Amino acid sequence: GAGVSQTPSNKVTEKGKYVELRCDPISGHTALYWYRQSLGQGPEFLIYFQGTGAADDSGLPNDRFFAVRPEGSVSTLKIQRTERGDSAVYLCASSGTGTTTDTQYFGPGTRLTVL
Amino acid sequence: AQSVAQPEDQVNVAEGNPLTVKCTYSVSGNPYLFWYVQYPNRGLQFLLKYITGDNLVKGSYGFEAEFNKSQTSFHLKKPSALVSDSALYFCAVRDPLRANFNKFYFGSGTKLNVKP
Repeated sequence: GAGVSQTPSNKVTEKGKYVELRCDPISGHTALYWYRQSLGQGPEFLIYFQGTGAADDSGLPNDRFFAVRPEGSVSTLKIQRTERGDSAVYLCASSGTGTTTDTQYFGPGTRLTVL
Repeated sequence: AQSVAQPEDQVNVAEGNPLTVKCTYSVSGNPYLFWYVQYPNRGLQFLLKYITGDNLVKGSYGFEAEFNKSQTSFHLKKPSALVSDSALYFCAVRDPLRANFNKFYFGSGTKLNVKP
């Protein structure tokens, strides 16, 4: 079946601009996660959704970052007033129910470059 | 805080030889441990996980990992490496605290190079 998809695969923007990154999880998965992966590092947790609600947004670095999942499926990560330090690969993952033993399935990521 | 460490940035092994990619963890409580593999320009792919039970866990593509509680380790192993195993490998631990169980902590990754 279809896996997690993310669009765009690459995004180049200028400092100060607004960007939106989209994630389509595996159909039926209620749990959705966003991570940021900087060069040479492992993924870093940003936010977790269970259904439509953001159950844990403690990983968002500051108030320029925001994510929504209005219908409990597709999610959008929004970054305002982008900075060069925001350049990274943004990963989305989904899992069936979000319970402790669940496995996360990752999308290919969106590579964001802020010039 | 929960964390994992991958002490080797890179592991080199000849095709056909056994491979080990090391991971140690620091967790308050019972650990839930995972291994993922990342190929260039692709997302992380799940290999295997340890939740409870047998300390030797078998996963995809012939990989296995051994949970060692006394050494707080979860090393990834394969008896005979293939060139196609060359990729970036990440160890991860899930926060066992109920309030934070959605949080995964990843190591910095180990690049595996398998040479023909």
